[in-house]
Amino acid sequence: GAGVSQSPSNKVTEKGKDVELRCDPISGHTALYWYRQSLGQGLEFLIYFQGNSAPDKSGLPSDRFSAERTGGSVSTLTIQRTQQEDSAVYLCASSYSGGGTEAFFGQGTRLTVV
Amino acid sequence: KQEVTQIPAALSVPEGENLVLNCSFTDSAIYNLQWFRQDPGKGLTSLLLIQSSQREQTSGRLNASLDKSSGRSTLYIAASQPGDSATYLCAVFNDYKLSFGAGTTVTVRA
Repeated sequence: GAGVSQSPSNKVTEKGKDVELRCDPISGHTALYWYRQSLGQGLEFLIYFQGNSAPDKSGLPSDRFSAERTGGSVSTLTIQRTQQEDSAVYLCASSYSGGGTEAFFGQGTRLTVV
Repeated sequence: KQEVTQIPAALSVPEGENLVLNCSFTDSAIYNLQWFRQDPGKGLTSLLLIQSSQREQTSGRLNASLDKSSGRSTLYIAASQPGDSATYLCAVFNDYKLSFGAGTTVTVRA
């Protein structure tokens, strides 16, 4: 596609349920990032994928969060046993390479945990 | 750990005035710096990318400068328009990730 695509755009889930958020990066981009933006807060780095290298998971806030990237393309961020503090906008970005090339963001998934 | 600060947090100007948005960062070992725009409820739109070897970058009414040694960047928007109202975010790339400032929320009054 022309840009980074994220789905769903909105997700409401009950506390304790698992959710999966999907990101389709720009075709040919090897680097993929997940960020979280909580209400009134800045963007918080979660995880970074670069090609076939092991991902940088240093930003994941707890072991309830995990992410995978299949075939070097689509990525899924999974949150298990969701808590109310997980409510936020989850943003995905991709770039041509991990060497600091221009990053392009998707429209985000707004997650609300009730 | 990279810390990015944006000043001011909010700015309101009349249409036609030039905008000056400031960004500072603590670790000068960066690959590049990127300015983004975010409209309410939307994702981030890339405005300008400045490589660490560059001093400035221009796109239309936008001009961004970078002084890596002092850890500063400035985004200038000439002849502001109501459509420029948004939150502007500065991000620096190092350590394989983008670190963001909290943003400057701009309101351009018609």
